[in-house]
Amino acid sequence: GAVVSQHPSWVICKSGTSVKIECRSLDFQATTMFWYRQFPKQSLMLMATSNEGSKATYEQGVEKDKFLINHASLTLSTLTVTSAHPEDSSFYICSARDLTRGSTEAFFGQGTRLTVV
Amino acid sequence: QKEVEQNSGPLSVPEGAIASLNCTYSDRGSQSFFWYRQYSGKSPELIMSIYSNGDKEDGRFTAQLNKASQYVSLLIRDSQPSDSATYLCAVTSSSASKIIFGSGTRLSIRP
Repeated sequence: GAVVSQHPSWVICKSGTSVKIECRSLDFQATTMFWYRQFPKQSLMLMATSNEGSKATYEQGVEKDKFLINHASLTLSTLTVTSAHPEDSSFYICSARDLTRGSTEAFFGQGTRLTVV
Repeated sequence: QKEVEQNSGPLSVPEGAIASLNCTYSDRGSQSFFWYRQYSGKSPELIMSIYSNGDKEDGRFTAQLNKASQYVSLLIRDSQPSDSATYLCAVTSSSASKIIFGSGTRLSIRP
């Protein structure tokens, strides 16, 4: 159980275009989803937290108009990187948890490696 | 002060020995503590969670929590080359609204 599927696993896009990343919980309801970014040899940086049906809460320094997060259902959250630039190239990872199960454990998707050229 | 601190390593341990990984956190209200393993180029994988003081064992892994000292550790017994990875300590905020990660300790098991 507790499988989180993230798609795509890698994407290359041109500078100025937008990219959408999907995160799905396959066998549980994700009351909360987290989006992280990880640069090479660095730790995970929390970008935002989203609860189903609510607006996402962004961490300080993360531009909400650039990184659009939608968590419209209990099994799907999306992150859209708008007007991507080379400095947005990174490893983006989602994680999900179901607080209704009485557990605060979070499980990760496979990650999406974004390269902006 | 970082919210979750770990020694970045690398920590080199001979095969078959015990690897000891440590973590301290700053939020006294934190209630949930996790260890994740991350192989290079992959996403983190949850290996242990611990919520109360003391030890929790799962196979070759033992997590230890001391809330008074704000200290969490992970012991890996009979270390195997496949245990070579970065180990991330994670802690929930006191409101449990988010999970904060340490920078990770790189563990290398030498044959």
